[in-house]
Amino acid sequence: EVQLVQSGAEVKKPGESLKISCKGSGYSFSSYWIGWVRQMPGKGLEWVGIIHPGDSDTRYNASFEGQVTISADKSISTAYLQWSSLQASDTAIYYCARFKAVANTAYGMDVWGQGTTVTVSS
Amino acid sequence: DIVMTQSPDSLAVSLGERATINCKSSQSVLYSSNNKNYLAWYQQNPGQPPKLLIYWASTRESGVPDRFSGSGSGTDFTLTISSLQAEDVAVYHCHQYYTTPGTFGQGTRLEI
Repeated sequence: EVQLVQSGAEVKKPGESLKISCKGSGYSFSSYWIGWVRQMPGKGLEWVGIIHPGDSDTRYNASFEGQVTISADKSISTAYLQWSSLQASDTAIYYCARFKAVANTAYGMDVWGQGTTVTVSS
Repeated sequence: DIVMTQSPDSLAVSLGERATINCKSSQSVLYSSNNKNYLAWYQQNPGQPPKLLIYWASTRESGVPDRFSGSGSGTDFTLTISSLQAEDVAVYHCHQYYTTPGTFGQGTRLEI
């Protein structure tokens, strides 16, 4: 079964750092892009950025660039999203999702993780 | 960035009736090299991650019931549920993946 399993919920204080993870299984992790999507409480979906684990090619939404870092370790089929200094406005659910793109044809985000809830509060 | 605008924001439909959700992009998402619209629709149930329903604007993902259909090209797209079932109550999102960053509509809440 193809799946993405994310790390558990986090409660942090403003200014703290955080790294959440997304582990893929059931497919060739290095062959597909992994995207991160933010959903703030009661709001819609926002595309944070995307990484290709095979070569670590990474693209960010300009709205998030400099605020987060996306990385991946293909040897353990895991992608990461990290913050060096959290703010209350980072409180949200963060989803990872496989972005299916094969032979220069893109299909969309076909497999999603269960989501990681990040709460930042003093 | 491409702006995606869905309408309506919320919709109430009776069981067995048709539901129609619209999505408009601020520029074309038609990829000329393969003539495919890079537009997807997702269903999100409360407390759950989104689920891919439709890609290329009109191709159903494997396992998605045929009462779900997508149509449109260029900048105007529609998701139709032909006969609403109770389990279809959810929020529906459109998503363009023609450019980076990908962008989503604001979501449409579908109720009975």
